[in-house]
Amino acid sequence: AQSVSQHNHHVILSEAASLELGCNYSYGGTVNLFWYVQYPGQHLQLLLKYFSGDPLVKGIKGFEAEFIKSKFSFNLRKPSVQWSDTAEYFCAVNVYNQGGKLIFGQGTELSVKP
Amino acid sequence: DSGVTQTPKHLITATGQRVTLRCSPRSGDLSVYWYQQSLDQGLQFLIQYYNGEERAKGNILERFSAQQFPDLHSELNLSSLELGDSALYFCASSVDPDPQETQYFGPGTRLLVL
Repeated sequence: AQSVSQHNHHVILSEAASLELGCNYSYGGTVNLFWYVQYPGQHLQLLLKYFSGDPLVKGIKGFEAEFIKSKFSFNLRKPSVQWSDTAEYFCAVNVYNQGGKLIFGQGTELSVKP
Repeated sequence: DSGVTQTPKHLITATGQRVTLRCSPRSGDLSVYWYQQSLDQGLQFLIQYYNGEERAKGNILERFSAQQFPDLHSELNLSSLELGDSALYFCASSVDPDPQETQYFGPGTRLLVL
């Protein structure tokens, strides 16, 4: 079965530290890849998405992600986190020919200490 | 605010009962998605509708059903409720069913089955 793995369940960083959240998926065909974020008390919102082309994609709020096809990975990065980045981050995969179904990872809770 | 509205915000009911969750998509969006978020299963896709027609189906239980009405709002009906149905139910919408379109999520309905 297709699945998405986020290796870190809870990450704690100090402000200005660099962030990398891992995401791996298990599907060998064509996929669309997404990172969503859920700030405390708010709805899920899209950070960035990748369909094709340049494997390094930039999103909102200084986030970027790199698609590495050979590793089935789509890791999220930010060079310098802020306290306001405290949130839960979800990686999601859409498999070609399965409609709009998003398969989500378990989520990574990020806590940034001021 | 994503523009997607869900009612009610909270729902407490008893096992064996039936409830209806309602979702209004963003203005102009024709596709609606339902997801269930629980502690043990994470965020799981239930079903997608486009312009009133079912488009994709996930692991939605037979006790659950959904529909999208001509005014594009959608309802998720959960019947013969069990304790394990307690979860956060999200609705999302997108302009069209293209999986590369961003899905905009509502605030969710928190269901507690006692």
